[in-house]
Amino acid sequence: DIQMTQSPSSLSASVGDRVTITCQASQDITNYLNWYQQKPGKAPKLLIYDASNLETGVPSRFSGSASGTDFTFTISSLQPEDIATYYCQQYNNLPFTFGPGTKVHIK
Amino acid sequence: EMQLVESGGGLGKPGGSLRLSCAASGFTFINAWMSWVRQAPGKGLEWVGRIKSKTDGGTTDYAAPVKGRFTISRDDSKNTLHLQMNSLKTEDTAVYYCSTMDGGGAFHYWGQGTLVTVSS
Repeated sequence: DIQMTQSPSSLSASVGDRVTITCQASQDITNYLNWYQQKPGKAPKLLIYDASNLETGVPSRFSGSASGTDFTFTISSLQPEDIATYYCQQYNNLPFTFGPGTKVHIK
Repeated sequence: EMQLVESGGGLGKPGGSLRLSCAASGFTFINAWMSWVRQAPGKGLEWVGRIKSKTDGGTTDYAAPVKGRFTISRDDSKNTLHLQMNSLKTEDTAVYYCSTMDGGGAFHYWGQGTLVTVSS
């Protein structure tokens, strides 16, 4: 199975800050990577697909990029409603696997 | 509006069975690939399995921890997805979400989830 790692596991930032989360795959997954946001008690929500494509209706402050087996998720200006856990997910190989998540707090 | 509503969760005993359902509306279910994803209490997301549309073969794939115990099926006449869970283990305790997926591997729309607790 492809193992996904994320860093940091949690972070604290101020409103308006730029926030960056990284995700690394244990082997090449091309750009077959998605990012999800999960708020407490809610279902996950797809934000970014194919590493860098913004899902319809998702604010443009969210973005994703790829470099080899390393992937970056960015919130350009953190908003209070962005408090959530963010997960990456690969779909290059079955089984689909998720990263362990990054919990974002407001400082 | 697209909607997925899971049901059937509850308390199951180790070695027992439960059947989850996911009622879909607001999209063409017959053409949709569907997945189940679970989340143990306080833990991350784990893909359980998927079923393709019948036009794409209707085949299923499963994660190793559930293969041979869980079965995903679909009733396109009722726009409903099912997850038959047999030989339950305590480690199957989780919120189970159904989701639509594209032909790649993105989970686009999710239900609200249903909690399965396996305990004696």
